[in-house]
Amino acid sequence: DAGITQSPRHKVTETGTPVTLRCHQTENHRYMYWYRQDPGHGLRLIHYSYGVKDTDKGEVSDGYSVSRSKTEDFLLTLESATSSQTSVYFCAISFTGTGEKDFHEQYFGPGTRLTVT
Amino acid sequence: AQSVTQLDSHVSVSEGTPVLLRCNYSSSYSPSLFWYVQHPNKGLQLLLKYTSAATLVKGINGFEAEFKKSETSFHLTKPSAHMSDAAEYFCVVSDQGGKLIFGQGTELSVKP
Repeated sequence: DAGITQSPRHKVTETGTPVTLRCHQTENHRYMYWYRQDPGHGLRLIHYSYGVKDTDKGEVSDGYSVSRSKTEDFLLTLESATSSQTSVYFCAISFTGTGEKDFHEQYFGPGTRLTVT
Repeated sequence: AQSVTQLDSHVSVSEGTPVLLRCNYSSSYSPSLFWYVQHPNKGLQLLLKYTSAATLVKGINGFEAEFKKSETSFHLTKPSAHMSDAAEYFCVVSDQGGKLIFGQGTELSVKP
């Protein structure tokens, strides 16, 4: 258990409304990630963070923004939700290791199921 | 660029028979490779990882995977399936920056 929680766990919202999902970790890991999971696509990276206030885009970042004002929290915001953003969203962390590949291993939160009507 | 292809979207086996989930990868350097499992309505759990040590990697719950560079494969196996193994399995490769690239997933069904 990597001490990752996500909130809310389920959310239904209307098209055009803003939505913020929260990822919280208790173990001070440097790297955090947001993914979305859709049938037939596996998980796709939305945004990631490599430290407080340090974030970068992933494969499917359009329509999403993120913020990380403290180590333990990584927020994902949909500024104006669309039906194509209906998905399951997973947060992940990776450890900061001393080995070259230590930080590639990621651990996932329980997920947030978002439905945009 | 790195990529991963899971060759079967669905595999069905009988309880007690062997499991084989196939994965091919593409990488321009020596990759890190992973298998994750996701049980229904759950998060993802790391089954095993390959990071350039032994080519035969043992994971949790009796699963193994063998890294074959010549075939660019990282197939997941288990000698005897259990009902609790029914889940979706993801083969994953990392890029040099540490970002993970997921396969499309293989759903494993286990019949009694």
